[in-house]
Amino acid sequence: DVKVTQSSRYLVKRTGEKVFLECVQDMDHENMFWYRQDPGLGLRLIYFSYDVKMKEKGDIPEGYSVSREKKERFSLILESASTNQTSMYLCASSFMGVGNTEAFFGQGTRLTVV
Amino acid sequence: TQLLEQSPQFLSIQEGENLTVYCNSSSVFSSLQWYRQEPGEGPVLLVTVVTGGEVKKLKRLTFQFGDARKDSSLHITAAQPGDTGLYLCAGAHGSARQLTFGSGTQLTVLP
Repeated sequence: DVKVTQSSRYLVKRTGEKVFLECVQDMDHENMFWYRQDPGLGLRLIYFSYDVKMKEKGDIPEGYSVSREKKERFSLILESASTNQTSMYLCASSFMGVGNTEAFFGQGTRLTVV
Repeated sequence: TQLLEQSPQFLSIQEGENLTVYCNSSSVFSSLQWYRQEPGEGPVLLVTVVTGGEVKKLKRLTFQFGDARKDSSLHITAAQPGDTGLYLCAGAHGSARQLTFGSGTQLTVLP
């Protein structure tokens, strides 16, 4: 059974903290993605990666960074958390190729910044 | 960013009714996908359409890709409470690896 696993379902952090969200996939996928999901806005792409140590900015990269040191793991980093980063964060992976390949999602991390 | 507009944003219907959800854009997509997301879970792929005018059926769900590949629709026949969820369309542009997601349609089917 294919799997994308996010390290936490719920997180509460304080303003200014450095926050790490971890994502691991067991499908040997080349592509990995981080989205944030807010009501009425759908999924917005933060960063994606198509290979180890490679990263590309998505639509809303400000305030975030990523790390991909191993093929199966993609980390999202909030350098200094702010209240406007309170959101649901979704990690996804897909096979190498263009966007018509299926994206597999993790269960999401609901982050609250207080 | 190439936007995908979904309508309606919210839909609440009785079991047995039919419904249609729309996904529209001003730009052309090389393919379009529909996902369903249930509470507390990530989205799961329902279908991918690639050819303009293509129609795909998945039991009571019918998906259509517009002739110009700028829009798509999802029609559900005789909706059931198990169809409740957030429906998301997602488009791919050319050789891009990433998807652009629509804003979503929250469907509630009441028993």
